Formats: sequence, C-alpha cells, structure tokens
Amino acid sequence: AQKITQTQPGMFVQEKEAVTLDCTYDTSDPSYGLFWYKQPSSGEMIFLIYQGSYDQQNATEGRYSLNFQKARKSANLVISASQLGDSAMYFCAMREGSNTGGFKTIFGAGTRLFVKA
Amino acid sequence: GAGVSQSPRYKVAKRGQDVALRCDPISGHVSLFWYQQALGQGPEFLTYFQNEAQLDKSGLPSDRFFAERPEGSVSTLKIQRTQQEDSAVYLCASSQQGRFDNEQFFGPGTRLTVL
Repeated sequence: AQKITQTQPGMFVQEKEAVTLDCTYDTSDPSYGLFWYKQPSSGEMIFLIYQGSYDQQNATEGRYSLNFQKARKSANLVISASQLGDSAMYFCAMREGSNTGGFKTIFGAGTRLFVKA
Repeated sequence: GAGVSQSPRYKVAKRGQDVALRCDPISGHVSLFWYQQALGQGPEFLTYFQNEAQLDKSGLPSDRFFAERPEGSVSTLKIQRTQQEDSAVYLCASSQQGRFDNEQFFGPGTRLTVL
C-alpha cells in the first residue's frame, strides 16, 4: 500500500539558513510522482516541486530542491536561504502511475516550519 | 486566469443537516479532485473526476458522501445527515489531465463545522 512518512512535526530554522524537511515513501509501483506542497495559515495548498520516479536529476525550483534517493525511498525537500514567509506547513505527497491510474494522491502528516528572524 | 474557487468558504451545520459544497475548477481542466483535511493533518483523498466521469470514489468515508460533476466543470460535494466527525476543511483541486505527473491546483477550501 502507498504510504508517506514525515517524521518531523515541527522544525525551526534561522532566517537565511538552509533547512531540510524529511519525507520517506513506500510503494510497489515503479512509476510514481512525488510532490511537495506548502500550506500557509491561510489554508491554500501551494505546489512547490515535483520529482518523477524515472527522473535522473534531482528537481530544483528556485530556492527549493528535492533530494531524491530512490533506493532509500526518500524525497527530502531542501529550502535554501530561508525567508520569514517560508513559515508554513509543508506536505510531501505521492501519486502512483500504474496501480491507481494516477488519480489518488497520498499526503504525509506534514511538517510545520518556523523561520526565526 | 482565475484559479480554483470554492464556496462557501465557511459552513456551520447542525448535526443531521445536509450540506452542499461547490468547486469551480480552472477552466479547461479535465481532472478534479476532492480531499478532506482534518485539523493538523494532511489532506485525505475522497474522489476523482475526469470530465463528468467519477473514476475513483474509494476515499468517500460513507454513503452519506456524494459528489457529482454533471457537465464536466463545476463539481458539488454533498454530505447528508452530517455528523460531528465530518468537521474538516474540504479541498478541491484540478489539473489539466489525469496523469500522475500533472500538478494539481488547489482551491482555498471550505471549512465545515458540524455542531
């Protein structure tokens, strides 16, 4: 069965420093996609970055990069040069390409990030 | 263009009442998803539409939950005889296609409180 694990309920980081948010996943489907979303206190889910299971390179989007270690089934999010506006909940999510037709997205429990001035 | 919109943003219902939550996806998006997010947790998948066809409703928690998208655009999630455990934020998302690598665009959610 699909599973996403985020083991850090809360994280603190100093402004301008980098932070890594952990995510491990479990799937038997060779074809899957991994997503990170940010959810500020306003509640809206904001897409940050995507990594496909067959992608050779780690995904990057501006200050966001995804440390994809396929053999370890981990997809950690790295935020560089943290800003006060990065304070939010962060969710790791997965969609399988074969087993469920790509419809069902499984989310982790989330990590709340606090950026200190 | 406009993003995904949901209405109402907040809904308070007495236990036993029926409620209807509306989602307007991004124009032209084929795929539409509904999620339930309990306080302090990640979203839980409820159901998926491709155009007007409901291809997956495996996440609907009971037969009190019903979703439709009759013309392949606007969708309504209906909850009959609401219970306190139905209190949550209901998120709608749309994407251009149903491919697993497609980005989903989320609406602001409807916060349902059942008293």
